[in-house]
Amino acid sequence: QKEVEQNSGPLSVPEGAIASLNCTYSDRGSQSFFWYRQYSGKSPELIMFIYSNGDKEDGRFTAQLNKASQYVSLLIRDSQPSDSATYLCAANRGGYNKLIFGAGTRLAVHP
Amino acid sequence: EPEVTQTPSHQVTQMGQEVILRCVPISNHLYFYWYRQILGQKVEFLVSFYNNEISEKSEIFDDQFSVERPDGSNFTLKIRSTKLEDSAMYFCASQPTFGQGQETQYFGPGTRLLVL
Repeated sequence: QKEVEQNSGPLSVPEGAIASLNCTYSDRGSQSFFWYRQYSGKSPELIMFIYSNGDKEDGRFTAQLNKASQYVSLLIRDSQPSDSATYLCAANRGGYNKLIFGAGTRLAVHP
Repeated sequence: EPEVTQTPSHQVTQMGQEVILRCVPISNHLYFYWYRQILGQKVEFLVSFYNNEISEKSEIFDDQFSVERPDGSNFTLKIRSTKLEDSAMYFCASQPTFGQGQETQYFGPGTRLLVL
């Protein structure tokens, strides 16, 4: 069974701090990795994707991928209360393959 | 910005009834998916669809389920003889193409299905 694992949280950080979210995956054939944000009762909203080892930055967000360790992370700099949501990590084998989702990490940013 | 749309937003049905969930993917996208999320659980893959046929289906997607793209825009999920455990949020997603950087799946707002 191919799995994506995340710490369920909640992860609580003060406003302005860096939030660090982690994810591991079991399928070594995974090629692409995605971070989605999901507010309660809403659909997943893409934050960013990564497919190469190393870091990828987009605004306040940085995704990190280490394929040797089968590890993906998301850093959120200058966290805002509006960042409070569940963050879903997802992986697929590339192409037009299904996404395998983790259970999500709930982030709470407090003023 | 183009979006995936889904109708209805909410659907309440009696056990044993048939429901059809509708999706309009983003125009010019080629790959289409249905996922579901039972309350408090992971988002789970149901089926993928390309070139008017199913590409892959999960073990959840049994004979009770079917998908169709009846015209150039709509993509539907039919659930026959609904069961209580079909109660979930159903998400449609579409993807433009494949190739690194082009494989993002964009999700619709979902249909919340409640089977009584």
